[in-house]
Amino acid sequence: QVQLQESGPGLVKPSQTLSLTCTVSGGSISSGSYYWSWIRQPAGKGLEWIGRIYTSGSTNYNPSLKSRVTISVDTSKNQFSLKLSSVTAADTAVYYCARASYSSGWPVKHYGMDVWGQGTTVTVSS
Amino acid sequence: QSVLTQPPSVSAAPGQKVTISCSGSSSNIGNNYVSWYQQLPGTAPKLLIYENNKRPSGIPDRFSGSKSGTSATLGITGLQTGDEADYYCGTWDSSLSAGHWVFGGGTKLTVL
Repeated sequence: QVQLQESGPGLVKPSQTLSLTCTVSGGSISSGSYYWSWIRQPAGKGLEWIGRIYTSGSTNYNPSLKSRVTISVDTSKNQFSLKLSSVTAADTAVYYCARASYSSGWPVKHYGMDVWGQGTTVTVSS
Repeated sequence: QSVLTQPPSVSAAPGQKVTISCSGSSSNIGNNYVSWYQQLPGTAPKLLIYENNKRPSGIPDRFSGSKSGTSATLGITGLQTGDEADYYCGTWDSSLSAGHWVFGGGTKLTVL
């Protein structure tokens, strides 16, 4: 049973870079037709997709965050990571990592996010 | 303002049935699969429905999904107090060159 666990600082100062890592356990990050996403949720609000990465390293980002986001993968450590630069209080949220399944045909079919981490709270404050 | 539109709240009595709608456009729901997520208070979202109407292992058949055109619907029958949660629809949006995931704003289900 694949499990995901987010880790990283819970407090980040304004204008700095938020860095989180998601560790995949119970299976190889490179196995199967999956890609790996970051999603966030401000307190009392809905879900916002941040971006995703294939184990090949190919990425897609939310257009509204694209200029500040970098997602990377380290298959040797079974981890993928998020960096969000120039943070403000508006970036305060619970950050989740998740696995999504897809079909590799054309057009690509995106089935859904079937495994989620428990989430980690990040607060941006001086 | 979410790309996908859901009602903010729905309610029904235990044992009854409820539906939650999710409205989008041709660039998202119209041409991609819809998935639904249940988020119990203080927990991470959980996949309820994928590929419009399929249930992952362990999800009871009280939960169902459907899609027609640019809208999707989640149905829950035999409501239980444990179903009180926030429900989100999600899908891929192909409107830009790269594409991205979008979610609805969420619907809070109250079981009266």
